This record gives sequence, C-alpha cells and structure tokens, in this order.
Amino acid sequence: QSVLTQPPSASGTPGQRVTISCSGSSSNIGDNPVNWYQHLPGTAPKLLIYGLNQRPSGVPDRFSGSKSGTSASLAISGLQSEDETDYYCATWDDSLNAPVFGGGTKLTVL
Amino acid sequence: EVQLLESGGGLVQPGGSLRLSCAASGFTFSNYAMSWVRQAPGKGLEWVSGISGSASSTYYADSVKGRFTISRDKSKNTVYLQMNSLSAEDTALYYCARGINGYNYIVFDFWGQGTLVTVSS
Repeated sequence: QSVLTQPPSASGTPGQRVTISCSGSSSNIGDNPVNWYQHLPGTAPKLLIYGLNQRPSGVPDRFSGSKSGTSASLAISGLQSEDETDYYCATWDDSLNAPVFGGGTKLTVL
Repeated sequence: EVQLLESGGGLVQPGGSLRLSCAASGFTFSNYAMSWVRQAPGKGLEWVSGISGSASSTYYADSVKGRFTISRDKSKNTVYLQMNSLSAEDTALYYCARGINGYNYIVFDFWGQGTLVTVSS
C-alpha cells in the first residue's frame, strides 16, 4: 500500500487533455513539492515535473503539474500515442523522513 | 554525457547477500546525492536508499533498514548497495538514480537501466 494514492489507470484519445491525480497527507504532499516521473517498465524512468511545476530540458510544455492542499495532479494536453506508459508521483514524507512514490498510473491512449 | 551503469544483480538464495554497484561518469560525482530505487515485478517504484554527495548522510526505507547499506567511493565514481538477509520481497529491478544536487533524494534527473535481483531457492 503506497503512501501516495494514484488511480491505477487513466485513458484518453489523441489530442485530448487528461489528468492523473495523486493524493497524500499533510506530512508529504501538504508540506513538500510533488514530482512526476514517466516510466516504461524495464527502462530508465524519466523526470517530467519537479519543484514548483518545473520541467527539465526536453520535456514538452504539454506536461504540467499542480498541487492543492494534500493532493496533486499531472495534466497532459494534446495527448499523443507515445504518452502511453506509466506515471508516478513522488515527494518527501516528513513523518517517514524518506521519499515516497505513488503506486503509479497506467495511461492508455485509445 | 551523464551515464549510470548498474551491475551486481543476480540470483541469490533467501538469507543471502549481494552487492550492487553503480558506476557514474560524465559529471562531478561528489556534487550529487545518489539513490537506489527498485521496482518489484508487477509493482510500482519504491525508493530504497540514498546517500549525500559528501557521503556524510545516508537514508533508508523502513523495508530495508538494518539489512541494506549504501556507500560511495569518490575515487571510483561508484555508489554501492550492500544487501544482506535478502528475502523474496527484495526481488526487483534496482535502479541507480542521481539527485539534482548534493542532498536531494527525490528529484532524480538521471537514471541507470537497472540491475535485476532475484531472491529464490
């Protein structure tokens, strides 16, 4: 059972905007920035969003992050077939004094 | 070019030990914290352990505390994960990841391709 809760799956059609949620608590999301990773199992995960909605070089602005209270969201606009993979939220947990990941969301492009 | 190359994975019996290595290149090694993150079959990502750039601080997930030890050798630009008392629950693909600075253990800008650890009799 992950400390951060994500829906196991999400879907959308090409060109659509989809959001993936990440729910936590005051000791993690409520008090720390949320980061997002894109991960095709068996390959190296890729950092998508970090800090206050910052994107590493090379990540398109179709990807954006937001946070409200103890929940966060990843939004993907202009959905493309190549976006079909797994997405994880991650943040620091003050109570555990350790980083925590969400359980992951598998995004399907219909 | 930043590169992280893990090695040391393999098949080990329950109760056994294994040492993973992550050879880093393409950046000033001591300026960055390093972490190990794993993914068990069919499961999500799980942070395992992290070490500061200066090696002065180490952190562990509760699931491995007391069994795993992280260390780094700046002369070899390598970070290690010594894993003892292994159980089937430790079976996973282990990734080495670079933090974005010397003390960050959650924002990882570069990752290795992973090394597979299988614990089975």
